[in-house]
Amino acid sequence: QKEVEQDPGPLSVPEGAIVSLNCTYSNSAFQYFMWYRQYSRKGPELLMYTYSSGNKEDGRFTAQVDKSSKYISLFIRDSQPSDSATYLCAMSAGWVGANSKLTFGKGITLSVRP
Amino acid sequence: GAGVSQTPSNKVTEKGKYVELRCDPISGHTALYWYRQSLGQGPEFLIYFQGTGAADDSGLPNDRFFAVRPEGSVSTLKIQRTERGDSAVYLCASQEAGAKNIQYFGAGTRLSVL
Repeated sequence: QKEVEQDPGPLSVPEGAIVSLNCTYSNSAFQYFMWYRQYSRKGPELLMYTYSSGNKEDGRFTAQVDKSSKYISLFIRDSQPSDSATYLCAMSAGWVGANSKLTFGKGITLSVRP
Repeated sequence: GAGVSQTPSNKVTEKGKYVELRCDPISGHTALYWYRQSLGQGPEFLIYFQGTGAADDSGLPNDRFFAVRPEGSVSTLKIQRTERGDSAVYLCASQEAGAKNIQYFGAGTRLSVL
């Protein structure tokens, strides 16, 4: 079993829909949780960053972390065709030294239909 | 400012050949990471540099893989005796000191071993 599991895709939604993306993890040492967006043939781009449990909102995006359940989510409101990309969850045990390496989920490809 | 630059963007080689992949991090970023992303998978950690030294090389799959960062800036990932299973996108990321594990990724080098 992988340390980070991400809901399988692909996912196709109509424009304006609310999208929920989820990951679970097994390593209780993880403290830092991120969501990256990756367009085709591009590198991952940081979308949201959260430390420990709680919610964080940035525009149409909300990240939630529940460390007790080892579960993280990304919500996208009023989804747009430009949101069509692969979304990767990532996490690390620390932010310096060897603990700073990221462990990624498999990624889910989202398509928003106009 | 300039982001993380990786060259070449694509590399095609034959089984058994030697390849070098280059990463130019964001100027002033002290931490540098290499990840490998196979088709349909999330990136997997290979090696982490803090300055000139490899602080964590636990992700290198075997001794055919080696990376250097002699002056604490540009890094080169070297693969000897390439195998078809080495085909993947090799991603480089850099991080500013004290930047709470916010890693900036390059677009990657797509390696194809025939």
